[in-house]
Amino acid sequence: NAGVTQTPKFQVLKTGQSMTLQCAQDMNHNSMYWYRQDPGMGLRLIYYSASEGTTDKGEVPNGYNVSRLNKREFSLRLESAAPSQTSVYFCASSEPQVGNTEAFFGQGTRLTVV
Amino acid sequence: AQSVTQLDSQVPVFEEAPVELRCNYSSSVSVYLFWYVQYPNQGLQLLLKYLSGSTLVKGINGFEAEFNKSQTSFHLRKPSVHISDTAEYFCAVSYFSGGYNKLIFGAGTRLAVHP
Repeated sequence: NAGVTQTPKFQVLKTGQSMTLQCAQDMNHNSMYWYRQDPGMGLRLIYYSASEGTTDKGEVPNGYNVSRLNKREFSLRLESAAPSQTSVYFCASSEPQVGNTEAFFGQGTRLTVV
Repeated sequence: AQSVTQLDSQVPVFEEAPVELRCNYSSSVSVYLFWYVQYPNQGLQLLLKYLSGSTLVKGINGFEAEFNKSQTSFHLRKPSVHISDTAEYFCAVSYFSGGYNKLIFGAGTRLAVHP
């Protein structure tokens, strides 16, 4: 049971380069999320998709775009990478319902922008 | 607005000693409470959750947490830690709004277990 799969696991970019982080889940969840993790700041929400066909900004969306390709896949794009985007990125999914709101996380993508 | 405060950024402890990781939250709506654990170079794994019912919640690996509504706290405890418990622990609150589950994390507490 794969759960949430992220690719790549590691990436080094030069300032100004672009890249797309891929995320896929096999749990048939409607909601998907992208977080970034920085030391001492916990996880901060970049974008989320409440359901297929919808996306919305989270707490720190600047410099990012997302695409909810289908119910399984939710990608995060950096159009012009900056050193401030050096971070660990996590994708997560959950089923939007009252009462059981557990989120499932991928293994993370460690991105360094030089 | 909802927020989560983890009162200790780092907690050093000796093996087999008890440990408590503190978490306070602020919320104007009903929330559900979670503790996640992150082992080095891995993703987040659910440790335990409080949705309703008994305020003492038991999780994996011998951890437990107690929900205290009056003090808006959800502290995590383990009576005897192992070296393998060395990890970062995140407290989180979740609530359902606008068609999706909003999940807000604390800054994390790094637990370092020493022999």
